[in-house]
Amino acid sequence: AQSVTQLGSHVSVSEGALVLLRCNYSSSVPPYLFWYVQYPNQGLQLLLKYTSAATLVKGINGFEAEFKKSETSFHLTKPSAHMSDAAEYFCAVSEITGRRALTFGSGTRLQVQP
Amino acid sequence: ETGVTQSPTHLIKTRGQQVTLRCSSQSGHNTVSWYQQALGQGPQFIFQYYREEENGRGNFPPRFSGLQFPNYSSELNVNALELDDSALYLCASSLGQFGSAKTSEQYFGPGTRLTVT
Repeated sequence: AQSVTQLGSHVSVSEGALVLLRCNYSSSVPPYLFWYVQYPNQGLQLLLKYTSAATLVKGINGFEAEFKKSETSFHLTKPSAHMSDAAEYFCAVSEITGRRALTFGSGTRLQVQP
Repeated sequence: ETGVTQSPTHLIKTRGQQVTLRCSSQSGHNTVSWYQQALGQGPQFIFQYYREEENGRGNFPPRFSGLQFPNYSSELNVNALELDDSALYLCASSLGQFGSAKTSEQYFGPGTRLTVT
């Protein structure tokens, strides 16, 4: 079975600082990987996706993630944090066959300090 | 392009009751998946519908059931509500034939917050 581990349930950065949110996956073969953002009392918004093309993936709002097969990681980064980035971030892995259901990590809450 | 919509936004039910949640998929999307997100946790897959048939489900009992209609909209029904059913229920739509890579790329609605007392 696939699984996702997000290290750090809470991450706090200063405005303008680098954002690094960690995600490691477990899968017998390279899966599809996703990052979603959830603002309070809202649904999930797709930030970016890895679907076996380029290993460095650029998403919306200046975020990017790098797929590293050797490390089974898909960490999310942003060079300079903005106050509006404060939210909950979820990493997800997709089944590679069949229904393609998403398995989510437990989430990382990002706080941005002024 | 219309995004995924869900209704109602909030719902309060009593233990033992039944509830129906509704979802309209994003324009052109033919696959709908439902997820349960308990407070402080990541979403968990309930089941997926494609061409009005259930494709399989996650670790949820049969009292969780659903439907998909010809216009691709969907319903989630939960019978005999339990306190632990209190959660945010998320609907996600995607485009593609069953098993295709595109089915992975799922777009979520705002969710329905269900409280069971």
